[in-house]
Amino acid sequence: QQQVKQSPQSLIVQKGGISIINCAYENTAFDYFPWYQQFPGKGPALLIAIRPDVSEKKEGRFTISFNKSAKQFSLHIMDSQPGDSATYFCAASRLGNDMRFGAGTRLTVKP
Amino acid sequence: DAGVTQSPTHLIKTRGQQVTLRCSPKSGHDTVSWYQQALGQGPQFIFQYYEEEERQRGNFPDRFSGHQFPNYSSELNVNALLLGDSALYLCASSLLQQGYEQYFGPGTRLTVT
Repeated sequence: QQQVKQSPQSLIVQKGGISIINCAYENTAFDYFPWYQQFPGKGPALLIAIRPDVSEKKEGRFTISFNKSAKQFSLHIMDSQPGDSATYFCAASRLGNDMRFGAGTRLTVKP
Repeated sequence: DAGVTQSPTHLIKTRGQQVTLRCSPKSGHDTVSWYQQALGQGPQFIFQYYEEEERQRGNFPDRFSGHQFPNYSSELNVNALLLGDSALYLCASSLLQQGYEQYFGPGTRLTVT
């Protein structure tokens, strides 16, 4: 059922560095690509999302880059902080319906 | 503004039993989606309810059923529980006609022994 492939599985970054997580999708009908942040014991929290009509979206320290032709999108976390340590999931959906999630990336930001 | 709430927080059931999980959507939302998240994996879509009807369903057996009430709250029922049903069950709410954003609740941790 997996239609969204996410990498890397885990990532360790120094405080102040840039964290980059990548996702690739298969279904060209997808038109909504969100990123979620999940802390242990909590539900996923919506971080930022993009539609395929733009190539980049920035909100604070978080940026999504989107490459429609390559069917890939990525999350960049600038100036990474220890508080950013969490599991990040990319997802894709069509018309906001059933979202297909990646397997997740466990990010650790070392102080 | 109340977010998505779910109950109970944790639940332990025995194989073969039945379970009901509950979800109240974010204020103003009319659509509820349910997801299953196994340990160390991403959430998997179970089904979505809108106007008290199931409008989409993922690749889950008929043992998984749901309901949406007139106040938009929802229940997820699982019959004949299997050990493999142990997971975090997440509810997400959205406003169908005004955007794609889905907001998740904290989840219910179900353990089947």
